[in-house]
Amino acid sequence: AQSVTQPDIHITVSEGASLELRCNYSYGATPYLFWYVQSPGQGLQLLLKYFSGDTLVQGIKGFEAEFKRSQSSFNLRKPSVHWSDAAEYFCAVVSSSASKIIFGSGTRLSIRP
Amino acid sequence: DSGVTQTPKHLITATGQRVTLRCSPRSGDLSVYWYQQSLDQGLQFLIQYYNGEERAKGNILERFSAQQFPDLHSELNLSSLELGDSALYFCASSGRPGGSNNEQFFGPGTRLTVL
Repeated sequence: AQSVTQPDIHITVSEGASLELRCNYSYGATPYLFWYVQSPGQGLQLLLKYFSGDTLVQGIKGFEAEFKRSQSSFNLRKPSVHWSDAAEYFCAVVSSSASKIIFGSGTRLSIRP
Repeated sequence: DSGVTQTPKHLITATGQRVTLRCSPRSGDLSVYWYQQSLDQGLQFLIQYYNGEERAKGNILERFSAQQFPDLHSELNLSSLELGDSALYFCASSGRPGGSNNEQFFGPGTRLTVL
């Protein structure tokens, strides 16, 4: 069965520092992978997606993610975080039937001034 | 703005009651998905409709039901509400003809509080 693991529940980084949020997936074929961000009390906004092709994917707000099949990972990175990046981040994979998105448990990002 | 709208934004009700959540998909999208986000269960898929027909079911309780109407909007009905049903309910849509069916666009959610 497909699954997504986000091993870090909560991460705190200093403003201006680099960021990497980890995501590991379990999937039998080539996965469709996503990163979503959810600000407090808000909905889900798509940051970036990987369907195929170049394994380094650029997203909105300066985020990027790298698909590594050998490690079953799709880690999210940003070179320099801003206070406005404080939010909950969800990694997700689309199921084989494309009927549902399977979400990880989320990583809450806090920014230290 | 994803183009998916949900009403109401907030809903407060009592145990045992019934509520209806409404979702309008992006123009042209044929699929509607419902998700529940709660503190203890995280984000879970409930159900999918495609062009009026139920396509897939997830962890949806028997007290919950959904439908998609000919104009493609969808409603999620929650009955005999319990305290544990308090959650954020998201609707998503996809499946615009010619587009990718693997990317879902999420609405802002309806926050349900059961007292």
